[in-house]
Amino acid sequence: DIQMTQSPSSVSASVGDRVTITCRASQGISDWLGWYQQKPGRAPKLLISGASSLQTGVPSRFSGSGSGTDFTLTISSLQPEDFATYYCQQAKTFPYITFGQGTRLEIK
Amino acid sequence: QVQLVESGGGVVRPGGSLRLSCAASGFTFSDYSMHWVRQAPGKGLEWVTFIRYDGSNQYYVDSVKGRFTVSRDNSKNTLYLHMNSLRAEDTAVYYCAKGSGYADHWGQGTLVTVSS
Repeated sequence: DIQMTQSPSSVSASVGDRVTITCRASQGISDWLGWYQQKPGRAPKLLISGASSLQTGVPSRFSGSGSGTDFTLTISSLQPEDFATYYCQQAKTFPYITFGQGTRLEIK
Repeated sequence: QVQLVESGGGVVRPGGSLRLSCAASGFTFSDYSMHWVRQAPGKGLEWVTFIRYDGSNQYYVDSVKGRFTVSRDNSKNTLYLHMNSLRAEDTAVYYCAKGSGYADHWGQGTLVTVSS
């Protein structure tokens, strides 16, 4: 099984800050990596697929990068609506997909 | 627009059964494969099962194999999850999600609580 490990588990930041969240796979997954945003009481929303492809309608302040085992999600200038929990997900072993444990982004 | 609406959650005793439904609209349901993903209270996301667009193949996480069955009725645009021999650790919000490698649309979820 491929394990996905996110860091940090939580981060505090202010509106306007640049934030980076890291996701590491236990083995190489090429660019089979997605990022999701989940707000409290809501369903997850797919932000990025294929490690760096932004979904339609997702603001350009979100970006993803990486390949192999190490990936990052960057929010270039935090907006109030970005405070949420973020999950990475590997699709290399599709249909057996696995998620990271999540990173909670909180307001400082 | 794509809509996925889950139903069928509730409180069930350990060892009991439940059937969840996911009604799809806004897209050609029979063209798309589907997942069920669950989230225990205060925890992260866990993939549960996947079914191909035509129902030809199903895949499960090890912890539910032999207890859960995913199915679909493309004539009714509906996805199902039949859950048997439920355990306390199956307590979670269950989401249906459209997609293959990635889940590009999700329902609002339905809560399953397994408790005596």
